[in-house]
Amino acid sequence: EAGVVQSPRYKIIEKKQPVAFWCNPISGHNTLYWYRQNLGQGPELLIRYENEEAVDDSQLPKDRFSAERLKGVDSTLKIQPAELGDSAVYLCASSSRDGAQYFGPGTRLLVL
Amino acid sequence: DAKTTQPTSMDCAEGRAANLPCNHSTISGNEYVYWYRQIHSQGPQYIIHGLKNNETNEMASLIITEDRKSSTLILPHATLRDTAVYYCIVRVRRSGGGADGLTFGKGTHLIIQP
Repeated sequence: EAGVVQSPRYKIIEKKQPVAFWCNPISGHNTLYWYRQNLGQGPELLIRYENEEAVDDSQLPKDRFSAERLKGVDSTLKIQPAELGDSAVYLCASSSRDGAQYFGPGTRLLVL
Repeated sequence: DAKTTQPTSMDCAEGRAANLPCNHSTISGNEYVYWYRQIHSQGPQYIIHGLKNNETNEMASLIITEDRKSSTLILPHATLRDTAVYYCIVRVRRSGGGADGLTFGKGTHLIIQP
């Protein structure tokens, strides 16, 4: 069974530029999560989807971050415009019925 | 979700059992104990979870005390590839699937020594 797929794996952009990350969850997983992980810290939840509905986006900085999950499968997380402090690893995860979450390899973003 | 306390770091010799403790004294009756690990430059990896009974899978064993205020993750024969940060997380698991996001603490940095 394929795991959670994320792309790109690495991204370097200049500040004020837009950037987008893509995630394909494990087949059959209705719940999808986006996390951000700063260097030396544990991941922090940004948003959670149940199918195509964003049910928890309280930690998403809505002034510059947006996300979508059309058709309840793939998801895209966007930052526009990016700031220096957005440099981090962006992780996508999906969960099975027993509540276990399975993470992708992450996208490492560097904003210059 | 209840708070957990873990040692900052631990060493273990290769081939020996690694026992990672976790305290969760404020755990409530409907909260499960989950363990994840994160190997350097990779996403977190699910290991095991349990409610009150001991659990075992191909990766590890989870021992939960009778009062559920603490637990121990056991890697029976540690290898160098088990070097990682191990996170103990307590959270409610909803019936019918779906679950809130995980709240990661600082975890335990386990170093397997050759």
